[in-house]
Amino acid sequence: NAGVTQTPKFQVLKTGQSMTLQCAQDMNHNSMYWYRQDPGMGLRLIYYSASEGTTDKGEVPNGYNVSRLNKREFSLRLESAAPSQTSVYFCASSEYGGQTDTQYFGPGTRLTVL
Amino acid sequence: AQSVTQLDSHVSVSEGTPVLLRCNYSSSYSPSLFWYVQHPNKGLQLLLKYTSAATLVKGINGFEAEFKKSETSFHLTKPSAHMSDAAEYFCVVSRSDGNEKLTFGTGTRLTIIP
Repeated sequence: NAGVTQTPKFQVLKTGQSMTLQCAQDMNHNSMYWYRQDPGMGLRLIYYSASEGTTDKGEVPNGYNVSRLNKREFSLRLESAAPSQTSVYFCASSEYGGQTDTQYFGPGTRLTVL
Repeated sequence: AQSVTQLDSHVSVSEGTPVLLRCNYSSSYSPSLFWYVQHPNKGLQLLLKYTSAATLVKGINGFEAEFKKSETSFHLTKPSAHMSDAAEYFCVVSRSDGNEKLTFGTGTRLTIIP
């Protein structure tokens, strides 16, 4: 039981390049999330998917797109990377997305945009 | 709107002494509150959560937190610090109105002095 896995662990991009961050969970959870973590700012929600087939914007969605490929997988795409997107990205999942649900986090992807 | 304030960005304690990490929250609704821990270069792990049941919540690794509505606080404590407790701790609030988004505090870095 691997929990939440993310690939890649590290990535360096040049401004304007695109890439997709992959996330998968094996806990049969309905809800999945993408966060970014910046120094001194805690985690901020980029996008989330309450259930398979649905996605919604979070607090900081600009410059990102997401795809809920199936129940297990939720990818985050940067179409044209900018230095402001340098951050650590975390994927998370929860069983139902309810107020009291525990979110389970992946190990993160450290992205640098030059 | 909801928000979380972690009152200390950095706390240092000696091994074997008590730990106190302070968190105040603001919420227009009855909140659920969480403490997550992040060890270096790792994802976040749930320590404990308050979901309107008992106000004193016990978590993993000897941590506990008390929900005090009158003070809008949810401070994290541990009687005796261990070297393995060195990490970043996040206080998190979740709304109770069907909007399941989490709001993270900015984190408190806990250092344990041998």
